Amino acid sequence: ETGVTQSPTHLIKTRGQQVTLRCSSQSGHNTVSWYQQALGQGPQFIFQYYREEENGRGNFPPRFSGLQFPNYSSELNVNALELDDSALYLCASSLTGFSGANVLTFGAGSRLTVL
Amino acid sequence: EDQVTQSPEALRLQEGESSSLNCSYTVSGLRGLFWYRQDPGKGPEFLFTLYSAGEEKEKERLKATLTKKESLLHITAPKPEDSATYLCAVYDFGNEKLTFGTGTRLTIIP
Repeated sequence: ETGVTQSPTHLIKTRGQQVTLRCSSQSGHNTVSWYQQALGQGPQFIFQYYREEENGRGNFPPRFSGLQFPNYSSELNVNALELDDSALYLCASSLTGFSGANVLTFGAGSRLTVL
Repeated sequence: EDQVTQSPEALRLQEGESSSLNCSYTVSGLRGLFWYRQDPGKGPEFLFTLYSAGEEKEKERLKATLTKKESLLHITAPKPEDSATYLCAVYDFGNEKLTFGTGTRLTIIP
């Protein structure tokens, strides 16, 4: 059973640039969610995708957008990068349809630094 | 809006010294409370899910309990490899997301 894999692991961008982060979900999972974790903080929910559609969004501006593909992999795109976007971006997959609360399996994250 | 507060922010224990981490929460309808462990530079690793007050779960040296207002993560006779940040999160009805606390950074000194 493969876990959640994310790429790239580290990247540095400058303010105003755009970035795309990628995520492959765990085998058998059909839902992907993205979280932003600033240094010393807990993860903050960005959005979730199920059946290739966004079905939940946190308090993040529209310049944060995403996609989910038919194989359940996903991308997170951030436009017009700001210094405060520097963080660890975590992708998590889960299996929607389970009657209880979904257990999220997290990847190791992509560390984004904006200069 | 869901709120999760963890205490203490940091905890240093001697190896073998037992203690508890606290997670207080406010949600409209609890669907599940989660505990995760996070090592530096890595993603959170799932430990437990608790669904209703009175529920308890154990894994090795860890035991999690749940009441209507808080969850405790008790660690018995910890070892240095238990050093990590422990995150608590809640999942409520109507919100397809986890709301995390800021975590407790646990250090076990040999």
